[in-house]
Amino acid sequence: KQEVTQIPAALSVPEGENLVLNCSFTDSAIYNLQWFRQDPGKGLTSLLLIQSSQREQTSGRLNASLDKSSGRSTLYIAASQPGDSATYLCAVNVGGQGGSEKLVFGKGTKLTVNP
Amino acid sequence: EAGVAQSPRYKIIEKRQSVAFWCNPISGHATLYWYQQILGQGPKLLIQFQNNGVVDDSQLPKDRFSAERLKGVDSTLKIQPAKLEDSAVYLCASSLPYTDTQYFGPGTRLTVL
Repeated sequence: KQEVTQIPAALSVPEGENLVLNCSFTDSAIYNLQWFRQDPGKGLTSLLLIQSSQREQTSGRLNASLDKSSGRSTLYIAASQPGDSATYLCAVNVGGQGGSEKLVFGKGTKLTVNP
Repeated sequence: EAGVAQSPRYKIIEKRQSVAFWCNPISGHATLYWYQQILGQGPKLLIQFQNNGVVDDSQLPKDRFSAERLKGVDSTLKIQPAKLEDSAVYLCASSLPYTDTQYFGPGTRLTVL
C-alpha cells in the first residue's frame, strides 16, 4: 500500500527566504507526482507535475525534483512571499483502472510566510 | 472557463441524519472524482466515475455512502446515516479522460454534531 509522508507538517519563515518542502513515498511504482496548493476554504490547485521519467519541473519561483528510486521529492520555493502562505500537498499517481489517474496524497505542509 | 462547482459550501447536521452534496464538473470532463479530506489529512479518494459508470469505489463506505452521476454530468454524494467521523471537507474534481490533471472544486465542509 502506497503511503506518502510530508515533512515538516508546518513551517514559518520570514519573507524573502528560500525554502524546501519534502515528500517521501513508499512504493516507487508511480506514474507521476504532483505538488498542489490548498488555500483555506478553497480547493486544490496543481502547481507542478513531474512524470516518472523526469527529474525536475520548474514554474516561476517553484522547482520540484523527483528521485523515484529513493522515493523522494522536494518542492523548492525561492524568495518566498506572504502570498505563498498556504498548505502544500504532495500526491503520487499510482494509476487507476482503465488507465485512469489515482492519486494518493500526503497530509501536507502548512507554510506561513511572515512579512 | 467555469470551474468545478459544488454545493452547499457548508453543512451542519446531527448524527444519524442524512445529507447530500452536489457537484457540477467542468464542461466536457468525462471523469469525476469525490474525495474526503478530514482535518489535518490529505484528500482520500472515495469514488471515481468515467461518464456515468463507476471506475473505482474501493474506499467508499458503501453501508452509508452512495454516489451517482446521472447522464454523465452532475453528480451527487449522499451519506445516510451520518456519523461523527464523517465530519470533513468533501471535494469534487474532474478531468478529461486519461489525462494527468484534475481540477478541484472548493469543497463542501460537513460538520456532524
